[in-house]
Amino acid sequence: QVQLQQSGAELAKPGSSVKISCKASGYTFTSYYISWIKQTTGQGLEYIGYINTGSGGTNYNEKFKGKATLTVDKSSSTAFMQLSSLTPDDSAVYYCASPIAALAYWGQGTLVTVSS
Amino acid sequence: NTVMTQSPTSMFISVGDRVTMNCKASQNVGTNVDWYQQKTGQSPKLLIYGASNRYTGVPDRFTGSGSGTDFTLTISNMQAEDLAVYYCLQYNYNWTFGGGTKLELK
Repeated sequence: QVQLQQSGAELAKPGSSVKISCKASGYTFTSYYISWIKQTTGQGLEYIGYINTGSGGTNYNEKFKGKATLTVDKSSSTAFMQLSSLTPDDSAVYYCASPIAALAYWGQGTLVTVSS
Repeated sequence: NTVMTQSPTSMFISVGDRVTMNCKASQNVGTNVDWYQQKTGQSPKLLIYGASNRYTGVPDRFTGSGSGTDFTLTISNMQAEDLAVYYCLQYNYNWTFGGGTKLELK
């Protein structure tokens, strides 16, 4: 069965970066794109963007351009999202999901807390 | 940006009720709308895709309808296990989630 396993919680300082991973199993990794979604109490769910796991091509929602960078490592069936120049507004639970819409598969979420 | 406005933001319901919630798009999104269910402490789960297609394994008490700018999710016979927050997502113009409808027990 398809599973997306995310890395653990992160505590980061303002101005720093974090890199979250999403390891896929149970299917051919390049068969499905992987999306990333942000969830906060105040803003609800926000779609960050997606990555083509075969070509590495990406598409970002405008708001997250320059904030999020999506990459993949096909050899380990893992997708990554790096968040840069962190501020307290980046504190959230981040999910990977698949594919682009009709998001049938979700990771368990990674809590990122930005605090000095 | 396409804004998705969900209503109501919360509902107090009883087991057995028929529940209807809405999602209104700020522009025509065709039928490019999904519905998701999120229970406390869990990841969202896909219920409906393409506005009206029930995902595999989703009970038939869940029904999605609509096109253009107005969409509806109906739960025909509310069960206790359906207590959750429900979100719509449009993917016609980039992607936008609605703010959610929370179902709570009376």
